[in-house]
Amino acid sequence: DAGVIQSPRHEVTEMGQEVTLRCKPISGHDYLFWYRQTMMRGLELLIYFNNNVPIDDSGMPEDRFSAKMPNASFSTLKIQPSEPRDSAVYFCASSPGTGAGRSQYFGPGTRLTVL
Amino acid sequence: RKEVEQDPGPFNVPEGATVAFNCTYSNSASQSFFWYRQDCRKEPKLLMSVYSSGNEDGRFTAQLNRASQYISLLIRDSKLSDSATYLCVVNVGYGGSQGNLIFGKGTKLSVKP
Repeated sequence: DAGVIQSPRHEVTEMGQEVTLRCKPISGHDYLFWYRQTMMRGLELLIYFNNNVPIDDSGMPEDRFSAKMPNASFSTLKIQPSEPRDSAVYFCASSPGTGAGRSQYFGPGTRLTVL
Repeated sequence: RKEVEQDPGPFNVPEGATVAFNCTYSNSASQSFFWYRQDCRKEPKLLMSVYSSGNEDGRFTAQLNRASQYISLLIRDSKLSDSATYLCVVNVGYGGSQGNLIFGKGTKLSVKP
């Protein structure tokens, strides 16, 4: 079975440009999560969806960040305009069913560099 | 106080050594607990869940102490391939919902020949 798929794997852009990160969760998983990882702050949850509906976006740093999940097999995280401090690895993860005991399956991540 | 705290390491140990990692969490309402492993420049992957009674998976043993809000991971007979960062993870799930995972910053392990 295919795991979580993310694209692009690497993105280098200039400050002020729009960046769109894409994610395809594992088929049948009801939950989708977007994380950001930096050396300083570790792994931080940005937003998560349940059945395509955003449940908690309290981790989204500011209005420059937005996320959508138009259907069960696709989600995007958009940064507009991008800034150098947005440079990080962005992970998408998905999880099956309900219940606090469920683990999450991570995609390979998108390494974003904003110059 | 950070929600999940770990010693960042690095722990440098020889092959065959036993090594233990500790983790503390701040939210007493936390419902489930995990150890994830992350290799350099890779994504985190679930290593094992942590159960109240303690659990073992081969060379790996996890323990949970809810009273002290403390989680541990013991690795016996360490292998070169165990070199990675180990992330302590806590889930505060409300009313049966998924909640979200709170990750520690990880403890780096380096196993030397």
